[in-house]
Amino acid sequence: EPEVTQTPSHQVTQMGQEVILRCVPISNHLYFYWYRQILGQKVEFLVSFYNNEISEKSEIFDDQFSVERPDGSNFTLKIRSTKLEDSAMYFCAGSGTAQETQYFGPGTRLLVL
Amino acid sequence: SQKIEQNSEALNIQEGKTATLTCNYTNYSPAYLQWYRQDPGRGPVFLLLIRENEKEKRKERLKVTFDTTLKQSLFHITASQPADSATYLCALHNNNDMRFGAGTRLTVKP
Repeated sequence: EPEVTQTPSHQVTQMGQEVILRCVPISNHLYFYWYRQILGQKVEFLVSFYNNEISEKSEIFDDQFSVERPDGSNFTLKIRSTKLEDSAMYFCAGSGTAQETQYFGPGTRLLVL
Repeated sequence: SQKIEQNSEALNIQEGKTATLTCNYTNYSPAYLQWYRQDPGRGPVFLLLIRENEKEKRKERLKVTFDTTLKQSLFHITASQPADSATYLCALHNNNDMRFGAGTRLTVKP
């Protein structure tokens, strides 16, 4: 069964550094999403992406964040200048034409020191 | 403001009993509602979707109800097993995003 993959599984970075989190969605999916989950807290929506553009973003997704799908397979989340409070698990998800069920990746655990 | 509330942070039940989890929402008019399971350190896994015009949906030992008047969904696991122990999340679609409740951590004791 096809799966969403994410790399790296863990990333440790210094405050102020840029990080890029990578996701390979399921090949026939059309809608893509990033979520984050701070330890012990709920899963929070960051951004949705369709047809090579952002379709919705939350108040968390400020100018420090960007997404792109550079080559039709990878879907990336970039954090330009990380802050301590960016430490969280970041999940990528995708869905097909129905845009209903979302399939999540295993997540990237980001730790900002 | 929009809110999704799941009844309790944690629910402990005995193996074989039925677990009932609640999801209440305010200031949403979702076309559908979903339930996901999340194990520690893992991503959410889809379980069931129920649409606004459906009252009830079943899948094996799982049952979901959806009352758009009460703005509530109930999620039942019958004949619960220790392997059902996990956090269960309800999620509402709102245009092009999906918002999750905080989850209920279910522990099924043998």
